[in-house]
Amino acid sequence: NAGVTQTPKFQVLKTGQSMTLQCAQDMNHEYMSWYRQDPGMGLRLIHYSVGAGITDQGEVPNGYNVSRSTTEDFPLRLLSAAPSQTSVYFCASSPTSQPQHFGDGTRLSIL
Amino acid sequence: KNEVEQSPQNLTAQEGEFITINCSYSVGISALHWLQQHPGGGIVSLFMLSSGKKKHGRLIATINIQEKHSSLHITASHPRDSAVYICAVSSGNTPLVFGKGTRLSVIA
Repeated sequence: NAGVTQTPKFQVLKTGQSMTLQCAQDMNHEYMSWYRQDPGMGLRLIHYSVGAGITDQGEVPNGYNVSRSTTEDFPLRLLSAAPSQTSVYFCASSPTSQPQHFGDGTRLSIL
Repeated sequence: KNEVEQSPQNLTAQEGEFITINCSYSVGISALHWLQQHPGGGIVSLFMLSSGKKKHGRLIATINIQEKHSSLHITASHPRDSAVYICAVSSGNTPLVFGKGTRLSVIA
């Protein structure tokens, strides 16, 4: 079982560049979410989705867009990267609102 | 919004010691989670509980709903238990709120 797959694992961007972090799950989970993890802080919710076609903002949504066209995929888009978005990003999925399956994370550096 | 506090922030133990990590929260919840994050970065769910106690191998999680407090115990600790342990809470279908984590180092 693949579980939750995040790509890429590492990425370096320049300020102002755009990119998409990919997240895919093969467990048919309705609930998917994106978090960022910064030193000294807990996981913070960026955006989440309770099913295909439905997304909502979390605690720190500014600078990020999401879409959920299928149950399996939940990409996170940075439209114009800023150094403050340097972080480790985790995608998670679960059959309810209780994330129990995390991806391995994407370490993103913005110069 | 629920506030989740974990203590201690950092913990160093000798192999074989009994370890306790604490988590307190400010508002009533429907479930509390304990998660483990290894140095490689992956996050694994250890327990989800809403009352009482759960045990898995050398790990025991307890929760006291009235006191809004949970503990994670590790018996006979081992260097492979070294990780960051994260507490998270939820109410109904609202997203999880996470604590900042407790970094545990177990020395042989």
